[in-house]
Order: sequence, then C-alpha cells, then structure tokens
Amino acid sequence: QVQLRESGPGLVKPSETLSLTCTVSGGSVSRGSYYWSWIRQPPGKGLEWIGSIYYTGSTNYNPSLKSRVTISADTSKNQFSLKLNSVTAADTAMYYCARVDKVGAPFDYWGQGTLVPVSS
Amino acid sequence: SYVLTQPPSVSVAPGQTATITCGGNQIGSRRVHWFQQKPGQAPMIVIYYDSDRPSGIPERFSGSNSGNTATLTISRVEAGDEADYYCQVWDNSSDLYWVFGGGTKLTVL
Repeated sequence: QVQLRESGPGLVKPSETLSLTCTVSGGSVSRGSYYWSWIRQPPGKGLEWIGSIYYTGSTNYNPSLKSRVTISADTSKNQFSLKLNSVTAADTAMYYCARVDKVGAPFDYWGQGTLVPVSS
Repeated sequence: SYVLTQPPSVSVAPGQTATITCGGNQIGSRRVHWFQQKPGQAPMIVIYYDSDRPSGIPERFSGSNSGNTATLTISRVEAGDEADYYCQVWDNSSDLYWVFGGGTKLTVL
C-alpha cells in the first residue's frame, strides 16, 4: 500500500521560501511511470495543482506558479520536495502531495496534507 | 489554459438523486475524474476515467461525459455523501498539466 506523508515548517514569513518534503513508502519515486505531485488548497477554497515530477526527474509546473516553483526528488530517501519562493499571504494553504500512475490517470494516492500559513 | 466550471453548490434531500456537472470545452473528448472531499480530509477518488468506480465506492455513484459537460450522479443520497466534489482532467493542449474544477458543495437537506 502506497503512503505519502508531507513534512515541513509550520509557518513561513512573507517573501521567504516555502519548503516541503513528501516521504513515500510502499512505492519508489525513481521507478515506474509515476508522476509525483504537489497540490494545494487555500482555506475554504478549491484544489490547485502546483506541479509534478516524473520518475525520470523531468518536471511540469502550473503556469501560474512556474516562476516561483521547484520540485525535486531525492531517490536515496525516496522523497520529493517542493520549494515555492517569494511567498505571500495568498500562498497560505493546505499542501498535499499525491501520485498519478500515468498520464491522464487520476491522483490515486494522497498525503494527509500539511497546513502552511504565511505570516510575519 | 483549460477551464472546468462547476456549480458552487447542490442541495438534495436524502434518498433523492444528486447531479453535479463539470463544464469544459469539448470535455467529452477528455477523461474526467471525480474526487470527494470531506472536512479535514484529503480528497478521495470516487469516479475515474469518466465512469469507472474504484473498489469500495458504492454503485450509487456514477459518471458520464459527453459534449461540453461531464456529470457525477449520486443516487439514493445519504447524509454521509455530504462533501465537496471536484472534477479533474489532464490537459496537454499547451503544456502537460492537471486541471481541477472549482468544486461543488453537496448539501444533504
């Protein structure tokens, strides 16, 4: 059974960089045809795809966030990470990591999410 | 970029049928997935590839997709179905990315 777990600081200051890590168990970030993804949800609002990293290491980002986002993977730890720089209060959200097993497929496994407030 | 449009809210009495729509340009040519999200929980897939149902999802949940509208239908609605529902597609028209609808709050009266 694949499990994902997000971790990272509970609070980020405006203009700083938000950094989160997703630890994967029961599956490998470096094998298969999987896309490992980040999705966020501001309080009381809908879901927004942030970006994904393919098992080969190639990445795709939401055009609205592309200039501020970097997703990378650490295969030795079976983790993938999100960095979002120059954050503002609008980046306050629940951040989820999730898996897609191939192009066009749904997000089939999700982490429980981690709330990241952006505040001074 | 591709846009998916959902009604903000749908209300239905227990035992009745709830219909949640997801509009998009020629969405019938794409494969649509539906997620259910209850308060404090991560989203969970209830319908994938337009009309397939994961194991453990009741047969009361069904999906269809044609033209410019995809539809999630919940028959014999129960109180436990009250949740937010999101449609989602994969779009590669300009770049490779995933799109969510704005979500629909299903209220069971």
